[in-house]
Amino acid sequence: DAGITQSPRYKITETGRQVTLMCHQTWSHSYMFWYRQDLGHGLRLIYYSAAADITDKGEVSDGYVVSRSKTENFPLTLESATRSQTSVYFCASSEGEWSNTEAFFGQGTRLTVV
Amino acid sequence: DQQVKQNSPSLSVQEGRISILNCDYTNSMFDYFLWYKKYPAEGPTFLISISSIKDKNEDGRFTVFLNKSAKHLSLHIVPSQPGDSAVYFCAASNKNAGNMLTFGGGTRLMVKP
Repeated sequence: DAGITQSPRYKITETGRQVTLMCHQTWSHSYMFWYRQDLGHGLRLIYYSAAADITDKGEVSDGYVVSRSKTENFPLTLESATRSQTSVYFCASSEGEWSNTEAFFGQGTRLTVV
Repeated sequence: DQQVKQNSPSLSVQEGRISILNCDYTNSMFDYFLWYKKYPAEGPTFLISISSIKDKNEDGRFTVFLNKSAKHLSLHIVPSQPGDSAVYFCAASNKNAGNMLTFGGGTRLMVKP
């Protein structure tokens, strides 16, 4: 399917477990992003990537790890999940560095840490 | 400290009337502003944008106004329709700092038939 897809859509995990959220885009966009949405905070940037093998921290990166070995994939890993990481996670992608353009979002992953 | 703020968490308007959603920002380096619409259980979708060199951009029923001196932008929806009921996020970016979007907290718009 064309576009940007996230998996799983829903995930329940226990405190202390490692969990990986997957993101895949078919446009070959250079930039990819992970955001989390929490009530009252809107969407906050966790990590972003300007290209394969280039990643950088966003506003709320503690407790998260990303990798980008291929342009189309940008997995997000919670190394040891905590209840405060219960949230809805959105992956997004956008075109090259010098273009002011919109980002395209996936449908989101609702993660619950119990 | 939030760089992009939407001070109204919710807004209710009658069908056919104008909806005005507001957004304020503090970072003068932002050079591109966007509005996204989000329905429940879906990802945000792009609605309309404006470059910092403009003060108005129109697309059908949607118009975005930018007042750089006040660091304020607004989204006007005319006429409002029940299908416009959603959460609207204001976002800003600075192309010299990567294509990262900084979002406001969102405004829930309810359009009553």
